[in-house]
Amino acid sequence: RKEVEQDPGPFNVPEGATVAFNCTYSNSASQSFFWYRQDCRKEPKLLMSVYSSGNEDGRFTAQLNRASQYISLLIRDSKLSDSATYLCVVNPSGGSYIPTFGRGTSLIVHP
Amino acid sequence: EPEVTQTPSHQVTQMGQEVILRCVPISNHLYFYWYRQILGQKVEFLVSFYNNEISEKSEIFDDQFSVERPDGSNFTLKIRSTKLEDSAMYFCASSEVAANQPQHFGDGTRLSIL
Repeated sequence: RKEVEQDPGPFNVPEGATVAFNCTYSNSASQSFFWYRQDCRKEPKLLMSVYSSGNEDGRFTAQLNRASQYISLLIRDSKLSDSATYLCVVNPSGGSYIPTFGRGTSLIVHP
Repeated sequence: EPEVTQTPSHQVTQMGQEVILRCVPISNHLYFYWYRQILGQKVEFLVSFYNNEISEKSEIFDDQFSVERPDGSNFTLKIRSTKLEDSAMYFCASSEVAANQPQHFGDGTRLSIL
């Protein structure tokens, strides 16, 4: 089983739609979780951290489900500018700080 | 907002040559990282650096690679005897601490090996 898995998509949605992505991870001892956004041929940019209690930032909501070992990202009222690849990043525990990136989920928001 | 800066933005090099990629991490950050991303593939960890020494490295980071912090601001990645398969985007990142903190990425160096 891959360490961090994401549906590559693409998710093709109209403006204004609500879209959700999931990311599963295999290491149950993982400590911290993040969503990054990556535009084509650009660097990953932090979108939000994912806390156990959930995290909301404007139109974006991130959730963590430790029992089922997945994190989710919900985007409400999609904008054209939301079109990008969304990367799930999982940090381990136990002395290693090597983050594992998912392959990313591609989102295309169309008019 | 403080940024991680990388130079050059694009490096074209003949196979077999050595390249040095440069990064200036955010000034109050303590941990530095190098990643690579081959076109169309996921971001891969190469190495982390703390307190002037390598903290961790991946299987990719073999003897061909080395990192250095030559002064108080720069953090470099040297790739010796470059191969065609070294062609990729190389991202530098930094974080205040290693665990539980997000990393801030530079805008990358595109390395093209001919």
